[in-house]
Amino acid sequence: KAGVTQTPRYLIKTRGQQVTLSCSPISGHRSVSWYQQTPGQGLQFLFEYFSETQRNKGNFPGRFSGRQFSNSRSEMNVSTLELGDSALYLCASSPHGSTGELFFGEGSRLTVL
Amino acid sequence: GIQVEQSPPDLILQEGANSTLRCNFSDSVNNLQWFHQNPWGQLINLFYIPSGTKQNGRLSATTVATERYSLLYISSSQTTDSGVYFCAAAPRDSNYQLIWGAGTKLIIKP
Repeated sequence: KAGVTQTPRYLIKTRGQQVTLSCSPISGHRSVSWYQQTPGQGLQFLFEYFSETQRNKGNFPGRFSGRQFSNSRSEMNVSTLELGDSALYLCASSPHGSTGELFFGEGSRLTVL
Repeated sequence: GIQVEQSPPDLILQEGANSTLRCNFSDSVNNLQWFHQNPWGQLINLFYIPSGTKQNGRLSATTVATERYSLLYISSSQTTDSGVYFCAAAPRDSNYQLIWGAGTKLIIKP
């Protein structure tokens, strides 16, 4: 069974640009959660999508958004990038939801210059 | 809200040593998970353990839900065990996000 796939793995952007990250969950998993990890803040929950609907959202500004497609693949978008958005973005797949057993992808490491 | 605390924050051991990592949580939980984050950043699911004991090779975990703690045991450490170990708890009164500990950074020296 294939694991969780995140693309791209690494990317560099400049302030003001926008970025889209992709996550393909484990086959059969309908829940996809997104996390931001920075050295100072640890793992922060961004949002969860379940069956194409945003079910839960963390405490992040509206510049952070996401969506989920009918095949459960999910994308997250960050608009008007700021230096502080530099982080590792992790996607987690689950058969039940954001508080169930989670399986993570390798992450997308974003650097904002 | 629930607090999740991990100890120790850092641990340096020689290859072959055994270790015990602890995760305390301040309130009742629906489940408790342990993860290993490797040096490249990927989080590996180790155990999903709401209560009781589970073993997987050299690793085992025990959660005592009534006393609000979980332990992760690593025996015969290898250099590949290095990384950060996180525990994450699902609070009883919230069904939308896990509460994460700050992690234990483990370094295994050859």
